[in-house]
Amino acid sequence: GQNIDQPTEMTATEGAIVQINCTYQTSGFNGLFWYQQHAGEAPTFLSYNVLDGLEEKGRFSSFLSRSKGYSYLLLKELQMKDSASYLCAVSRSATNKLIFGTGTLLAVQP
Amino acid sequence: DTAVSQTPKYLVTQMGNDKSIKCEQNLGHDTMYWYKQDSKKFLKIMFSYNNKELIINETVPNRFSPKSPDKAHLNLHINSLELGDSAVYFCASSQGLAQETQYFGPGTRLLVL
Repeated sequence: GQNIDQPTEMTATEGAIVQINCTYQTSGFNGLFWYQQHAGEAPTFLSYNVLDGLEEKGRFSSFLSRSKGYSYLLLKELQMKDSASYLCAVSRSATNKLIFGTGTLLAVQP
Repeated sequence: DTAVSQTPKYLVTQMGNDKSIKCEQNLGHDTMYWYKQDSKKFLKIMFSYNNKELIINETVPNRFSPKSPDKAHLNLHINSLELGDSAVYFCASSQGLAQETQYFGPGTRLLVL
């Protein structure tokens, strides 16, 4: 089976750092994606990890530990526009099937 | 400039009707997908096509039928619409099947009354 868990909601302050965790259990693991989704809009790609370690891309970084079934998304220097849902998704096997978590709704406060 | 486009953006219809949603991508990708996002914002894969061949067919009522006339287009036809079909339907595309990033269209907001 497959199971992906993320916190439902988080709140952080403008300028701060926030870490959004994702744990997963799945067979045929083929990589982990993070997407950002603003209310009423489409999910947009943020990051992809297939090997263990940290991937950094500007203010956003993503970490993966395959042995622990764990990933996190780190957002630095938070801005108000970062208020959105952050979706963790695991890619399974050769079909590129994405299994999404329920998403973490991040509210950035002044 | 639009990468993945869907029509219509909004669709309001009565129970029992048949409706279609269209998706087009101009990225030159080989693989296209349909997802359903319910009221709790949970995004779930429905179908995928690679070079017009059905690859993923999740447990979806057979009232839903995808059609891919060519690899740039993937349409979704829904027969006998039910209240529970109300959701946002997203189309996506990726270059291929190997660990490829999926790019999403703007979504079609379907409301069944």
